[in-house]
Amino acid sequence: AQSVTQLDSQVPVFEEAPVELRCNYSSSVSVYLFWYVQYPNQGLQLLLKYLSGSTLVKGINGFEAEFNKSQTSFHLRKPSVHISDTAEYFCAVSEPFSGGYQKVTFGIGTKLQVIP
Amino acid sequence: NAGVTQTPKFQVLKTGQSMTLQCAQDMNHEYMSWYRQDPGMGLRLIHYSVGAGITDQGEVPNGYNVSRSTTEDFPLRLLSAAPSQTSVYFCASSPPLGGGDTDTQYFGPGTRLTVL
Repeated sequence: AQSVTQLDSQVPVFEEAPVELRCNYSSSVSVYLFWYVQYPNQGLQLLLKYLSGSTLVKGINGFEAEFNKSQTSFHLRKPSVHISDTAEYFCAVSEPFSGGYQKVTFGIGTKLQVIP
Repeated sequence: NAGVTQTPKFQVLKTGQSMTLQCAQDMNHEYMSWYRQDPGMGLRLIHYSVGAGITDQGEVPNGYNVSRSTTEDFPLRLLSAAPSQTSVYFCASSPPLGGGDTDTQYFGPGTRLTVL
């Protein structure tokens, strides 16, 4: 069975500082990896995803993540955060499920608080 | 496109009452899912569907029913509400394997349910 561990439940960071949100996964098969963002009182939206190919993945709003197979990690980074990046970030992994459905397992989320 | 829509946005129920959470999508996606989001637990899959007439259970199906009579609609029924079902409920849809944006889930804005 697959699982996702987000190591930090909350990350405070000053505006314009860099940030890294950590994610580790476990799976017995090849995985697809995702980061979703949830702004207050909204649904989740895709930030970026890794399916195959280059291990450095660039997403929206200046975020990027690096897939590291040997360390089973998929950490999210941004070199300079803005107030508008304040949100909850979810790491997720998917695997084939019954009926062709890809079951997505989500981490518990990391709340990023950007301090002015 | 409206994307994924959910109604109502908020609902308060008394223990034992029943209700239906509505979900609709206009992207012609085959796959649809229901999740619940609880603090410190991330998102957990309740039920999912791989097409009209086909549904199956996720991780936490007890107390919930679903049906999928059309591609567009995927309602979630609470049979006899319990305080443990107080949560935020998200509907999501995704294209099947081989379609565009494979594996990306598109989320609705959520329904915040309180059971007293």
